[in-house]
Amino acid sequence: KAGVTQTPRYLIKTRGQQVTLSCSPISGHRSVSWYQQTPGQGLQFLFEYFSETQRNKGNFPGRFSGRQFSNSRSEMNVSTLELGDSALYLCASSFNRDAYGYTFGSGTRLTVV
Amino acid sequence: KNQVEQSPQSLIILEGKNCTLQCNYTVSPFSNLRWYKQDTGRGPVSLTIMTFSENTKSNGRYTATLDADTKQSSLHITASQLSDSASYICVVSVNYGGSQGNLIFGKGTKLSVKP
Repeated sequence: KAGVTQTPRYLIKTRGQQVTLSCSPISGHRSVSWYQQTPGQGLQFLFEYFSETQRNKGNFPGRFSGRQFSNSRSEMNVSTLELGDSALYLCASSFNRDAYGYTFGSGTRLTVV
Repeated sequence: KNQVEQSPQSLIILEGKNCTLQCNYTVSPFSNLRWYKQDTGRGPVSLTIMTFSENTKSNGRYTATLDADTKQSSLHITASQLSDSASYICVVSVNYGGSQGNLIFGKGTKLSVKP
């Protein structure tokens, strides 16, 4: 059974650009959440999608957005990149909106220069 | 305010030795507590999960304890191996119903195991 797949694994972008990250959940999982991880702040919740609808949102500016497709795959977008957006972006999937049985992907390492 | 504090921030031990990592939380209402291991540049992998009624859970050389009265948890690693070098993250779930937005993360303990 394939795990949570995130693409790309690494990304380098210039300040002011925008970026799109992709997350394919475990087959059958319908909930996808996104997290930002930095050395100083640890893991911080970005947003959660279930059945193509955003169900919960963390405390991040509107430059961070996401969506979920009918096959449960999810994308997150960051516009007008800032140096502080450099981080490991992780997604996690679960069958239901279940804070118990979720699995993380390996993440996308974004570097903004 | 819901918070999870982990200590120490970092720890260096020799291969074969035991160690204990601490997690204190002020989360209410409490649902469950999970310990994750995260290798550098990888996603977190679940080690143990405990609900309110459980006070010990083992996974191989990893043993987690939970004291719901004092709101403390510990992760004990026995006979450490070089592959145990990683960050260990304590995550507490707030019991507001199913949502990953209700997870409170600690900042982790970075463990280095030296030969």
